[in-house]
Amino acid sequence: DVVMTQSPLSLPVTLGEPASISCKSSQGLVHSDGNTYLNWFRQRPGQSPRRLIYKVSNRDSGVPDRFSGSGSGTDFTLKISRVEAEDVGVYYCMQATRWPITFGQGTRLEIK
Amino acid sequence: EVQLVESGGGLVQPGGSLRLSCKASGFTFDHYGNYGVHWVRQTPGRDLEWVSGILWNRGLKGYADSVKGRFAISRDNGKDSLFLQMNNLRADDTALYYCVTDREAGGMDVWGQGTTVTVSS
Repeated sequence: DVVMTQSPLSLPVTLGEPASISCKSSQGLVHSDGNTYLNWFRQRPGQSPRRLIYKVSNRDSGVPDRFSGSGSGTDFTLKISRVEAEDVGVYYCMQATRWPITFGQGTRLEIK
Repeated sequence: EVQLVESGGGLVQPGGSLRLSCKASGFTFDHYGNYGVHWVRQTPGRDLEWVSGILWNRGLKGYADSVKGRFAISRDNGKDSLFLQMNNLRADDTALYYCVTDREAGGMDVWGQGTTVTVSS
């Protein structure tokens, strides 16, 4: 199985400051069709996870452009250019290149 | 509005069975039939674990090792519904179970609100 390892697991950030979450996979995530199925989700308290980024760097509809995804191979990053109060929650990376689909442990972003 | 609605969760004793259901609303699973529909669970510790998935049109199924041989995923095209038959339940199956669908390959972009399964004596 592909193991997804996120860091840090806790991320206190000052409003207006940038934030970055790392996600490393135990195997390369390039599918035989040439795509890399690496997604990012955010889960707010009491809500279901919501996808923010798909295929490494594509923002979902309605996701502010302060969110960006990057990476390749086994190293991926989610960046928030300027953290706002509404960004609080737990962020998960997920790979769907190979079944079983696997998630990272989650990174809890909080405001300092 | 695109929605997934799960049902069937509850309290069950170890060794018991439950059948979860997921109904699509505002779209049909068949419309995105080249892609997958999944069950993902969230443990009390907030970890997300993919449990099972099915490629809707082809019927190809996959399972996490932790549930293989105990859980079975199925679909009913006519009722536009997904099911998860869970047998021989254990305490570590206790979780919030989400139905999740792909609207493109690897998508996992539509999530239901979840149904809670508690396995306890």
